[in-house]
Amino acid sequence: DTEVTQTPKHLVMGMTNKKSLKCEQHMGHRAMYWYKQKAKKPPELMFVYSYEKLSINESVPSRFSPECPNSSLLNLHLHALQPEDSALYLCASSLFPLAGGYGELFFGEGSRLTVL
Amino acid sequence: DAKTTQPPSMDCAEGRAANLPCNHSTISGNEYVYWYRQIHSQGPQYIIHGLKNNETNEMASLIITEDRKSSTLILPHATLRDTAVYYCIVRASHGDYKLSFGAGTTVTVRA
Repeated sequence: DTEVTQTPKHLVMGMTNKKSLKCEQHMGHRAMYWYKQKAKKPPELMFVYSYEKLSINESVPSRFSPECPNSSLLNLHLHALQPEDSALYLCASSLFPLAGGYGELFFGEGSRLTVL
Repeated sequence: DAKTTQPPSMDCAEGRAANLPCNHSTISGNEYVYWYRQIHSQGPQYIIHGLKNNETNEMASLIITEDRKSSTLILPHATLRDTAVYYCIVRASHGDYKLSFGAGTTVTVRA
């Protein structure tokens, strides 16, 4: 299995809703990532988990709450979002945390979020 | 990490080689050059990376100049499925464990 699976593929939520995005990989990867991508822009890093511990938070607002329950699963909990948070949310994984010459990320196809 | 400069867009003909340039004039000795691409409506895909030497894999070749200030990604026989945004990324071998994307080059392969 060489896939990173993200669910749901599409999500529409109101500003008062609580929802979650889910990401799963069964490649034995020990680092997982959340990126946010607005239309016609490059992906922007949000969070990095290394060995199930949060290692990088790129000053993301607290209305986004990541969780890594185990080495195969990564969640992004969403609460009180704003319309400007509408974007494609991409999950990625890597065999190890990026270090040395190792920089290969495996990406899912993303969850497209619309906040009304 | 050093900044990279890529042309915003380029066209190439199907079946011909596509040569994608990237300038990274401030690259330091411990920084690697990575290339990723993102086909429309998909997540980014790793292509290749290198430090000093030229590299080749089943997808592409990476040519890094001797002074390492620039590189070229070569798609040897471009197909319509190679139409994508191509990102050149420079990342240090030490420090934090992240990969940051720049603006990239939108490559359109035409029949």
